[in-house]
Amino acid sequence: DVKVTQSSRYLVKRTGEKVFLECVQDMDHENMFWYRQDPGLGLRLIYFSYDVKMKEKGDIPEGYSVSREKKERFSLILESASTNQTSMYLCASSEGLGGSSLHFGNGTRLTVT
Amino acid sequence: GIQVEQSPPDLILQEGANSTLRCNFSDSVNNLQWFHQNPWGQLINLFYIPSGTKQNGRLSATTVATERYSLLYISSSQTTDSGVYFCAVIEYSQGGGNKLTFGTGTQLKVEL
Repeated sequence: DVKVTQSSRYLVKRTGEKVFLECVQDMDHENMFWYRQDPGLGLRLIYFSYDVKMKEKGDIPEGYSVSREKKERFSLILESASTNQTSMYLCASSEGLGGSSLHFGNGTRLTVT
Repeated sequence: GIQVEQSPPDLILQEGANSTLRCNFSDSVNNLQWFHQNPWGQLINLFYIPSGTKQNGRLSATTVATERYSLLYISSSQTTDSGVYFCAVIEYSQGGGNKLTFGTGTQLKVEL
């Protein structure tokens, strides 16, 4: 089975802190994604990557950056955390460009105070 | 980008009832997936269905790509079916990757 592991299940940070959310997948998938989920808004794509060192902005990239130095790891960075970034963050991976099944991690619930 | 709309937003069923969830999308898509998010937050793939019909136990899905919609059928619902159901469409990005755009989901509660 594909395993997508997010480093923290719950995280509490202060406004202005730099926050790192880590995601690791074990199936050599090319594509990796970061979403945030908020009530009534569904899942919104922040950034995605289709290869090492490659990244593309999703629908809501403002206030975030990403890093993909190795194929299995995709990091989401909140440069200066703000209260409106309190949310559930979900990482996912999938196989190549054909759009095969997407596999999600368990999510990180981030609270910014 | 592609717009994805789901209906109904909320649904309450008695155990044993059947239901149909709908997903409309605004443009041609290369593929479509259905997901279930359980009450603990875990998202699970249900179907990968660019067109046609697939069945898996009490669940089945139909996508009519030419008319830009997909349907998820749940028969003989059980309390374990509760959660949020999302559809997501795949579109190719200009940069060469592919990305999924999710609908806002249908919140299902199955009661005894």
